[in-house]
Order: sequence, then C-alpha cells, then structure tokens
Amino acid sequence: DAKTTQPNSMESNEEEPVHLPCNHSTISGTDYIHWYRQLPSQGPEYVIHGLTSNVNNRMASLAIAEDRKSSTLILHRATLRDAAVYYCILNNNNDMRFGAGTRLTVKP
Amino acid sequence: DVKVTQSSRYLVKRTGEKVFLECVQDMDHENMFWYRQDPGLGLRLIYFSYDVKMKEKGDIPEGYSVSREKKERFSLILESASTNQTSMYLCASSPHYHEQYFGPGTRLTVT
Repeated sequence: DAKTTQPNSMESNEEEPVHLPCNHSTISGTDYIHWYRQLPSQGPEYVIHGLTSNVNNRMASLAIAEDRKSSTLILHRATLRDAAVYYCILNNNNDMRFGAGTRLTVKP
Repeated sequence: DVKVTQSSRYLVKRTGEKVFLECVQDMDHENMFWYRQDPGLGLRLIYFSYDVKMKEKGDIPEGYSVSREKKERFSLILESASTNQTSMYLCASSPHYHEQYFGPGTRLTVT
C-alpha cells in the first residue's frame, strides 16, 4: 500500500503562512493526494485534493512536486482555529489510509 | 451543508453485549464508511458500502459487521463487544471518489 510520511508536529505563529510537508515516494499513477484535518473533539474535515497540478480552494493550497513523490499543504494565514491534526492521504478508489498526521500548533 | 449524524457521542457497554452504532447522512450519498480511531494508530477503516445492501471489508473488519438497508443509514454492529473494541468510532459519507464527510464520532467504552 502506498504510504505517506509527515512530521509529527509543527508550530506556527498566528497570521503567518504554514507549509505542511508530506512525502509519498511510492505513489502510483492513479493515487490522488488528499488532505484532511481534525480539530479537537471533532471528526476529520476535508481540506483539499489533487492529482498532478497545484490546487487552490478557500481553505488552502496544495503544491504537488513534479514527480508526485511529495506535496505541501499551504495555509496562507494561520489562525488559532487552524490548530488541528493534518492528514495527508493517498486515495485510490475510495480506499484511504489515514496515518498519524501532523499536529499543528498555532501560537498567538 | 452535509450532515452526518451518529446515534450517540458516548456509549458504555459491558463485555459480551451486542452493540449497534448508527450513522445517518442527509445528502443522498452513495458511499458510507466506518472507521475507528485509537491513539498512536490513527484512523483505520472497518467497513464501507458503495450502495444499499452492499458492503466491503476494510483493514480491520474482525469482530464487526455492518448493515445498510437504506441509502441514508449505515449501521456498525459489534456482535459481542470486547474491551479491545473500546475506541472512537467515526462514520463518513461521500458522494463520489473524493471528499468524505465525517460525523462527530461515538466514543465507545467496553467494560
């Protein structure tokens, strides 16, 4: 199974950009890269997904390396409400495997 | 907004009891999922369903069964609860290949 590797934790200051990295060196051609986040005491929340091209939505941007072996989730201006565990997942035919994710702490 | 609701936020059951966890979604989604979440292990897929009366095993189906008699409802059944099934259970639904919408979770304790 294709797996992802993320740092266990990261810190950011409020209103600064945050770049959350993810390595997925064994990604296959049909795997989509998904990001979810989980706020305390809540279920995971979809953030963004992409296949090859960079993607933007109202929550974040996703930058995908040309060889697709890594990607970066970009929060343009972190807020205290962005403090959560962020999961990078490879999705193939609705078969998603959540890893441990990155715990993001946002400091005021 | 998509809404996925789960029958209970907290549940305490005894070893050997039969436990039903209910999940309902209000957006006519084809796909529904059951996960459990444990510290250090992340989310693990138990079962999923692509359509009414259809089910597929996930990574850890042992000790669990599911039922999907109606499109909006997906039930997880613990036939004989054991202490190692103490966990947070999360239900999700999805209209297509992407974007799963999760419920708030049920924290089950088996004593």
